[in-house]
Amino acid sequence: GAVVSQHPSWVICKSGTSVKIECRSLDFQATTMFWYRQFPKQSLMLMATSNEGSKATYEQGVEKDKFLINHASLTLSTLTVTSAHPEDSSFYICSARFDTHTEAFFGQGTRLTVV
Amino acid sequence: GQNIDQPTEMTATEGAIVQINCTYQTSGFNGLFWYQQHAGEAPTFLSYNVLDGLEEKGRFSSFLSRSKGYSYLLLKELQMKDSASYLCAVMDSNYQLIWGAGTKLIIKP
Repeated sequence: GAVVSQHPSWVICKSGTSVKIECRSLDFQATTMFWYRQFPKQSLMLMATSNEGSKATYEQGVEKDKFLINHASLTLSTLTVTSAHPEDSSFYICSARFDTHTEAFFGQGTRLTVV
Repeated sequence: GQNIDQPTEMTATEGAIVQINCTYQTSGFNGLFWYQQHAGEAPTFLSYNVLDGLEEKGRFSSFLSRSKGYSYLLLKELQMKDSASYLCAVMDSNYQLIWGAGTKLIIKP
């Protein structure tokens, strides 16, 4: 299957700082990328959907000013957690798909711990 | 509203067969996906069904009945490494993926 690379795999940051997570599709052009967060023993929660060159569509309850998403190219999307707080600690996962009729491929996930 | 139901947890024995069911109610249907997720890792794609019937892929098979809003994932010759969560996801009319909560499968020797 296609490869989606997510970086970093884990990060620890201080409360109040910002963290950027990158998601790259390595061998295909991703027209759509998705960002999820997942708390322990819970299912994936979609945060936002981003299409290359346009603004991300955020799910209800997700603060767009706190979780900044940029999808500048067909192979790269970034999620920036601004002014992180301990409650933002979670597993963040990106996924990408070529078009609407194909499966989504997931990055390895980023475990964020805010101390 | 949109809803995906699957059992929270199942237990099976190594070498046996297990069937994980998924029922769904969504606004439109553009396919159903099964993903495997090991603890602490991202999901990996297992199967995709858009037409009724059974799709077989090695030890894993996935079945779909659109009229019943029902799918199952069948795992044969279970191995210890199959211990994981199995996520059912439906693509709705807007091509958005609606995720089930996942089924944690525990394999015992």
